[in-house]
Amino acid sequence: AAGVIQSPRHLIKEKRETATLKCYPIPRHDTVYWYQQGPGQDPQFLISFYEKMQSDKGSIPDRFSAQQFSDYHSELNMSSLELGDSALYFCASSFMSRETQYFGPGTRLLVL
Amino acid sequence: AQTVTQSQPEMSVQEAETVTLSCTYDTSESNYYLFWYKQPPSRQMILVIRQEAYKQQNATENRFSVNFQKAAKSFSLKISDSQLGDTAMYFCAFVQGAQKLVFGQGTRLTINP
Repeated sequence: AAGVIQSPRHLIKEKRETATLKCYPIPRHDTVYWYQQGPGQDPQFLISFYEKMQSDKGSIPDRFSAQQFSDYHSELNMSSLELGDSALYFCASSFMSRETQYFGPGTRLLVL
Repeated sequence: AQTVTQSQPEMSVQEAETVTLSCTYDTSESNYYLFWYKQPPSRQMILVIRQEAYKQQNATENRFSVNFQKAAKSFSLKISDSQLGDTAMYFCAFVQGAQKLVFGQGTRLTINP
């Protein structure tokens, strides 16, 4: 079965640079969630989209923005990167905003 | 706000043994879902099992089963006949509706040969 696809899988950036993370949900899934997981921590919710509209917002810095496109893929844009942004970023998707979320493999971001 | 608590930071058992991971949660909602996710060293988040709050029957998936006590707001995971591949971080998670998952702090489970 098709799974959630995230790209890139690994990303190394310098401080103050910009990064774009992409997420391709499972086919027919219309809801996308973004989570950030720091080292030794549980995942923290950032933002979600349903039918291309923002549906919920968590502890996402103002330096970050995201959107969902007409083909339901989503992008997380991160600007003015800080050392503390180094983390594993997960995208998850669900069908018709149902409760079960399926996670992608994550993007490991390292900010130097 | 909903909270999820996993009181066992680490657990270790021998292969083939049975192990139970604990999870408690706090919510004022009556309709919600609970999940256990597994995160192996690869750090992929893998859905292990889910439980709908309105169902009294405990969910089971092969060697994995839950003990869901709604009144006590308890949701434990039992792994039977544990295998080396079960070694991972296990997260308990809560969701109400189409909202964000709220995770517990995780339990690091090690299965020893």
